[in-house]
Amino acid sequence: SYELTQPPSVSVSPGQTASITCSGDKLGDKYASWYQQKPGQSPVLVIHQDSKRPSGIPERFSGSNSGNTATLTISGTQAMDEADYYCQAWDSSGVFGTGTKVTVL
Amino acid sequence: QVQLVESGGGLVKPGGSLRLSCAGSGFTFSDYFMSWIRQAPGKGLEWVSYISRSGSTIYYADSVKGRFTISRDNAKNSLYLQMNSLRAEDTAVYYCARTAAVTWSFYYFDYWGQGTRVTVSS
Repeated sequence: SYELTQPPSVSVSPGQTASITCSGDKLGDKYASWYQQKPGQSPVLVIHQDSKRPSGIPERFSGSNSGNTATLTISGTQAMDEADYYCQAWDSSGVFGTGTKVTVL
Repeated sequence: QVQLVESGGGLVKPGGSLRLSCAGSGFTFSDYFMSWIRQAPGKGLEWVSYISRSGSTIYYADSVKGRFTISRDNAKNSLYLQMNSLRAEDTAVYYCARTAAVTWSFYYFDYWGQGTRVTVSS
């Protein structure tokens, strides 16, 4: 079965850039999406189709996908961005990444 | 605005059954694919099942195949998940999610419900 691997944690200072990677075999041939989940809340879509932001998602969230790696980038990270982030792709079924906890120090 | 409201969760003994429901509003329910996704306590997200707009195409995760059945009633704007032969490892919060199609083979989840908790324990 298809697997997506993320780093367990990423730390970033306020105002700096956080990059979260998502690795999977030939992931660049698929579309990657990203979800933000804050404690006790439902996930929220922040990026779809590799780099598209849904309405209402701040411009500081951006995405890319090439080769075996998709990347979610948060520019000018704010305290409110502290959350778990999951990548997702589709390989005959839905697949989620292992999740990354972003801590804003 | 889009709303998805799950119900039907609870405590059930191993081997028991439960039926989850999800009521959609704020969009034309029959125009969208739908999915169930779960999250075990302290764990990550796990996709469970998908159903096409008409209900003619259905997919399941291997972990639930043969035990869970997804269905929908477009007249009632509702999605369902019938869960049989429940196991301790099925304990999780179950989310219904509106599912958007990029192509016939790529999907993502653009709106999520608040989730309903299922606990399987004796």
